[in-house]
Amino acid sequence: ILNVEQSPQSLHVQEGDSTNFTCSFPSSNFYALHWYRWETAKSPEALFVMTLNGDEKKKGRISATLNTKEGYSYLYIKGSQPEDSATYLCAFRHFGNEKLTFGTGTRLTIIP
Amino acid sequence: EAQVTQNPRYLITVTGKKLTVTCSQNMNHEYMSWYRQDPGLGLRQIYYSMNVEVTDKGDVPEGYKVSRKEKRNFPLILESPSPNQTSLYFCASGMGRYNEQFFGPGTRLTVL
Repeated sequence: ILNVEQSPQSLHVQEGDSTNFTCSFPSSNFYALHWYRWETAKSPEALFVMTLNGDEKKKGRISATLNTKEGYSYLYIKGSQPEDSATYLCAFRHFGNEKLTFGTGTRLTIIP
Repeated sequence: EAQVTQNPRYLITVTGKKLTVTCSQNMNHEYMSWYRQDPGLGLRQIYYSMNVEVTDKGDVPEGYKVSRKEKRNFPLILESPSPNQTSLYFCASGMGRYNEQFFGPGTRLTVL
């Protein structure tokens, strides 16, 4: 089983502050890295699929970067809002394999 | 509306009583997958399917079976459920070359 690690496990951020967290994955045979947002009592929803080293993706106040050579991705949230409270999951896909391996997530709570 | 549906949403059963959780998607996705979510362990892939009649094991396939006779349906079968299969189960279908996942609403299963 591939090791996908996310840090921190949980995070409390004041409304209006910016924040970021990390997903680490194996650097060999990289194929794709996914980010998902999972609100309590709902289903995970896709944020980004990243495939190239140096990729940067943005959706509103949320952005992500990818470093496949060193095996990490950062997710950034600018100007946090209460609706950003959720668990953020990353998932790694290995080249030549259709399996998706998820990290355990970063649970983000925005304090009004 | 494009969606992934699962039934039942909640199920309490007893050890050894065979059960099936259905999953259906209306997006014509080729990739479908089952995950289980347990506290502290993240989403773990049980089985996935790249297309009709093509299925493969994920990271935790023991105790489960799947079938893919039609493109839209991907049922999860527990032939003889045990208490350690008590979990929250998600079905997902995948879009595009990198299989961005669209998740169903989840099925909460309790095995007594």
